[in-house]
Amino acid sequence: AQTVTQSQPEMSVQEAETVTLSCTYDTSESDYYLFWYKQPPSRQMILVIRQEAYKQQNATENRFSVNFQKAAKSFSLKISDSQLGDAAMYFCAYGGATNKLIFGTGTLLAVQP
Amino acid sequence: DVKVTQSSRYLVKRTGEKVFLECVQDMDHENMFWYRQDPGLGLRLIYFSYDVKMKEKGDIPEGYSVSREKKERFSLILESASTNQTSMYLCASSSEGNEQFFGPGTRLTVL
Repeated sequence: AQTVTQSQPEMSVQEAETVTLSCTYDTSESDYYLFWYKQPPSRQMILVIRQEAYKQQNATENRFSVNFQKAAKSFSLKISDSQLGDAAMYFCAYGGATNKLIFGTGTLLAVQP
Repeated sequence: DVKVTQSSRYLVKRTGEKVFLECVQDMDHENMFWYRQDPGLGLRLIYFSYDVKMKEKGDIPEGYSVSREKKERFSLILESASTNQTSMYLCASSSEGNEQFFGPGTRLTVL
């Protein structure tokens, strides 16, 4: 069975600095997707970034980028130029052949002004 | 934009009551999901549906049932609510590519 591990329950970053959130996963599938979702306080969960496993190039979305290491089964999220609005719970998720997602336990990111 | 709505943001019920949580999506997605979210446990899948009238158990189906009579609507039913079902409930839908779109959540308190 697939698993997703987020080993950092909480992180903190200064405004305008860069922070990296870690995620590791385990799977025997060769074709899959990986996601980072953001859940701001009392607000809806939204997709931040998505990576297809067959793509070697790391996905980027504006200030958000990933470091996808397929052999190491690692999928970290880098947030550059952190803003107050980046404060949220971040979930890493794995999607394979079943159309279901498997989520990590989340990392609560605080942004200090 | 995909829109997933849930019938209530906050709900307070008594132990033993039958509880209905409704979810509606407007993008003709085949797949719909119900999760519960608890601190330190992330999102855990309760049930999902890949077509009308089709359902499959997720990781924690005990104490819950679901109904999907129309493609756009997926209901979660707590037959007899218990205090350990106090939680945040999230509905999601998806089509291809696994990306799921989430509703705003229902925070259920069972007294």
